[in-house]
Amino acid sequence: GENVEQHPSTLSVQEGDSAVIKCTYSDSASNYFPWYKQELGKRPQLIIDIRSNVGEKKDQRIAVTLNKTAKHFSLHITETQPEDSAVYFCAALYYGQNFVFGPGTRLSVLP
Amino acid sequence: GAVVSQHPSWVICKSGTSVKIECRSLDFQATTMFWYRQFPKQSLMLMATSNEGSKATYEQGVEKDKFLINHASLTLSTLTVTSAHPEDSSFYICSAREGRGDEQYFGPGTRLTVT
Repeated sequence: GENVEQHPSTLSVQEGDSAVIKCTYSDSASNYFPWYKQELGKRPQLIIDIRSNVGEKKDQRIAVTLNKTAKHFSLHITETQPEDSAVYFCAALYYGQNFVFGPGTRLSVLP
Repeated sequence: GAVVSQHPSWVICKSGTSVKIECRSLDFQATTMFWYRQFPKQSLMLMATSNEGSKATYEQGVEKDKFLINHASLTLSTLTVTSAHPEDSSFYICSAREGRGDEQYFGPGTRLTVT
């Protein structure tokens, strides 16, 4: 089955700096890769996603890049703000049906 | 649009009792609903996938007789935790997918505490 790895598990950055989180997946059939932000005790919120026919997607301060050959994708957050502090999960859509989630990255943005 | 609700948001029950959690899609028809369990500081783990009108498909290691899932309509799925034990205490989150879309819309989650 699909396996998604995510690094780093924790990340601390100074406010205004950039943050990068990387994920790798194992099944080349996966073709949709969303990123979720989850605050404590709340539902995951979709922040950006990318499909396998696109290499990069950007939405204001957030961008995602995908390397299909290497089977990895990354989340980039620029000009980080304290409200970006949360746990971020990547996921891969497995056989068009199920999401397989990465283990998560706890991002702390220090003022 | 694409709002999913869950009820209750939290529940405390005694060991040995059963608890039912509801997941509703409020403004769309959910052909597929998913149930996840999330332990503290861990990721979301898929428990089962349910399609309206058919039996749920459970992930390996999830006991189907303990976690009963019913997807009786295109807007409602229920998860019943039977004979709950303290180790079942967790955050249960549902999600719903509309038609053949890839995106899943998540409910707000239910925190279950078994004493």
